[in-house]
Amino acid sequence: ETGVTQSPTHLIKTRGQQVTLRCSSQSGHNTVSWYQQALGQGPQFIFQYYREEENGRGNFPPRFSGLQFPNYSSELNVNALELDDSALYLCASSSQRDNSGNTIYFGEGSWLTVV
Amino acid sequence: QQQVKQSPQSLIVQKGGISIINCAYENTAFDYFPWYQQFPGKGPALLIAIRPDVSEKKEGRFTISFNKSAKQFSLHIMDSQPGDSATYFCAASKYNFNKFYFGSGTKLNVKP
Repeated sequence: ETGVTQSPTHLIKTRGQQVTLRCSSQSGHNTVSWYQQALGQGPQFIFQYYREEENGRGNFPPRFSGLQFPNYSSELNVNALELDDSALYLCASSSQRDNSGNTIYFGEGSWLTVV
Repeated sequence: QQQVKQSPQSLIVQKGGISIINCAYENTAFDYFPWYQQFPGKGPALLIAIRPDVSEKKEGRFTISFNKSAKQFSLHIMDSQPGDSATYFCAASKYNFNKFYFGSGTKLNVKP
């Protein structure tokens, strides 16, 4: 267990709707990253949050947005859902303080199905 | 442009055999190369990682071999076991930057 918890584990949404996914980072970790993993593919970087601000973004449109809270937990929001947004959304936490480099620890993910 | 290319897509190995998965990267600025193991329905779990100042790193039955000039690295699983059956992902990033580029994954099936 990595200590990274995500909710919900599964959800089904209709095209055009909005979704919020939540993540609690591992204790002591101050950085949260979000990844999208389509079926049969490797994870793709969406964005990262550090000190409650976006700190790097992948090739995803603005309808993908996020938040980080003072306790380092995070949310991923996706507006105007499209069928191609169906995927496993992974949260990963890490620490910018220690010397472990950039080891990131993933949660179990949230499975999103858009119909 | 795919930053990290992984092969093979799938691999079948007999119990006790050696599993080898290869990755190649494009960006010479990458300097941290982890491997992740993912079981169905689970998130990826860090298996082993290497930095380019060494050519090989071994942890138990798992070894990373790194060739900086060729921009390639590989995962070797010695004495493969049925419990190793999972999907393996290589990844690359700039150290302390925390944005990872993942390969497309290799589904390993170890036959008893």
